[in-house]
Amino acid sequence: AQSVTQPDIHITVSEGASLELRCNYSYGATPYLFWYVQSPGQGLQLLLKYFSGDTLVQGIKGFEAEFKRSQSSFNLRKPSVHWSDAAEYFCAVGGSTLGRLYFGRGTQLTVWP
Amino acid sequence: EAGVTQFPSHSVIEKGQTVTLRCDPISGHDNLYWYRRVMGKEIKFLLHFVKESKQDESGMPNNRFLAERTGGTYSTLKVQPAELEDSGVYFCASSREFGQAFYGYTFGSGTRLTVV
Repeated sequence: AQSVTQPDIHITVSEGASLELRCNYSYGATPYLFWYVQSPGQGLQLLLKYFSGDTLVQGIKGFEAEFKRSQSSFNLRKPSVHWSDAAEYFCAVGGSTLGRLYFGRGTQLTVWP
Repeated sequence: EAGVTQFPSHSVIEKGQTVTLRCDPISGHDNLYWYRRVMGKEIKFLLHFVKESKQDESGMPNNRFLAERTGGTYSTLKVQPAELEDSGVYFCASSREFGQAFYGYTFGSGTRLTVV
């Protein structure tokens, strides 16, 4: 069955600290992986995506993610968090046929000044 | 290019009433999707249109939900009659035709539906 697990419901970090949000997936074919962010009152914004090739992908706002096939993981990282990064982050997996996406439950990020 | 537009942004209705949500995809995007997030849960797929045809409607919860995409442009999602458990945020997304370089999905800002 296709699924995405984000084990951390809520993470709190201090501004300037590094961040890693975990994502594990289960998918029966070659996965297309995504991270989206939703700020309060906003829609889902694409941070980055992985289709193939280099397993370390760079996204917007200084985020990066690493695809590890052996661990079925696609963790999101940022070396130094800014207060404006406080938001909810969603990991998603889909396939090459542009069908449905499967989302995790989301991780709420709080940033302390 | 303009993004995916959804309206209304918020809707509060009473149980038993009817509500219609609208999504305008990015121009030229043949694929249109509806998703829903119930509070505290994951974002769940509802259905997928390719142009005006329903490609996959396996996520539709029951027959109180009716989605249409006349002419392959905008889409509507009608809930009739609404129940309390229908409350949540309804997202729409669109994407280009497969084979034209896959740019991924663009999501709208969502419609927050509250059924009281």
